[in-house]
Amino acid sequence: KAGVTQTPRYLIKTRGQQVTLSCSPISGHRSVSWYQQTPGQGLQFLFEYFSETQRNKGNFPGRFSGRQFSNSRSEMNVSTLELGDSALYLCASSTGQVAYNEQFFGPGTRLTVL
Amino acid sequence: AQTVTQSQPEMSVQEAETVTLSCTYDTSESDYYLFWYKQPPSRQMILVIRQEAYKQQNATENRFSVNFQKAAKSFSLKISDSQLGDAAMYFCALYTGTASKLTFGTGTRLQVTL
Repeated sequence: KAGVTQTPRYLIKTRGQQVTLSCSPISGHRSVSWYQQTPGQGLQFLFEYFSETQRNKGNFPGRFSGRQFSNSRSEMNVSTLELGDSALYLCASSTGQVAYNEQFFGPGTRLTVL
Repeated sequence: AQTVTQSQPEMSVQEAETVTLSCTYDTSESDYYLFWYKQPPSRQMILVIRQEAYKQQNATENRFSVNFQKAAKSFSLKISDSQLGDAAMYFCALYTGTASKLTFGTGTRLQVTL
């Protein structure tokens, strides 16, 4: 079974631009969660999508948004990029069961904002 | 709110020796799950071991075991017979159904020496 895939793996943008990251979950998984990893703040939860609906959201500004498609693939968008958005963005997929939510992580997209 | 604290930014162990990584957490939930994730350099995060809070028995996965002290809210990871491939960042994480997300500690970088 293929693992979680994320594209692109590396991205360089300039301040003010917008960016879209993609995540394809493990086949059969219906939940996709997004995390931001930085040296200063560590791993922080962005949001979770389940069956095309945002089920949970972290404490990030509205510039960060996402969506999920009917095939469970998810995209994350960041508008008006700031230098502080430079980070490794990880997505994780799971079956979506609330009681026990083992998450499988993708390799991440490393975003650099210049 | 739930928190996870890892007080050891870095640890070092000699090959074939045993090392213990510490983690404390805080949650008001009675039902939750605890995890240790491993993130090798430039590689994706993988689950090492998990513990359900309602289980009194400590989880074990081959050379990895945990010491789960529920009353003390402590969840340490013991790695026996350390191998060079164990070198990585180790993250302790907490999941509750109420929060419906993983809350991570700041990580412990484990170095394995010959």
